[in-house]
Amino acid sequence: GAGVSQTPSNKVTEKGKYVELRCDPISGHTALYWYRQSLGQGPEFLIYFQGTGAADDSGLPNDRFFAVRPEGSVSTLKIQRTERGDSAVYLCASSLRPGGPTEAFFGQGTRLTVV
Amino acid sequence: AQKITQTQPGMFVQEKEAVTLDCTYDTSDQSYGLFWYKQPSSGEMIFLIYQGSYDEQNATEGRYSLNFQKARKSANLVISASQLGDSAMYFCAMRDLLNYKLTFGKGTLLTVNP
Repeated sequence: GAGVSQTPSNKVTEKGKYVELRCDPISGHTALYWYRQSLGQGPEFLIYFQGTGAADDSGLPNDRFFAVRPEGSVSTLKIQRTERGDSAVYLCASSLRPGGPTEAFFGQGTRLTVV
Repeated sequence: AQKITQTQPGMFVQEKEAVTLDCTYDTSDQSYGLFWYKQPSSGEMIFLIYQGSYDEQNATEGRYSLNFQKARKSANLVISASQLGDSAMYFCAMRDLLNYKLTFGKGTLLTVNP
């Protein structure tokens, strides 16, 4: 597709379970970002990939959160032992390159609800 | 550290009128970019307009223009001739141009009335 694709669009899981959220960026975009948007807030940075490597994971809240991008395209955000506080919309974005005036293009997000 | 402040939680405008959404920012960086995104109820963040800190002219993109006042550290979004489809959340964001992280404000919910 032409845009950033995120699956699933909605995920309901029980507290303590493991979840995976997938992001398929725009073809050719080397930079990929994950953000988390809590209710009533703007998105907050989680992690940034340049190619296959996580160049900055300083926004990940704790070690229950992990993300991979093994082939430099699709990325998966993994959350272990989910907690109710993890409920949020997880947004993925990609850009042609990381810096400069280039904008990041966002997907529609995955709404995660932990019950 | 960078900070974005959007002081208007909600705004109302009549269809076909212009509206200004406020954004102030704080940064110690010399080179930075300012962005506005629209987020309709579907959830996707849609890029609207970009302003570089060294750009001398205010950015414009169709009905969107950015009123950039560097000394006041403000980057207000002006939407002209509002349409019903403009009803959405609007987020102001900034990024150091050597960096990649976007810092977002809390957003403004715009409602366009017929």
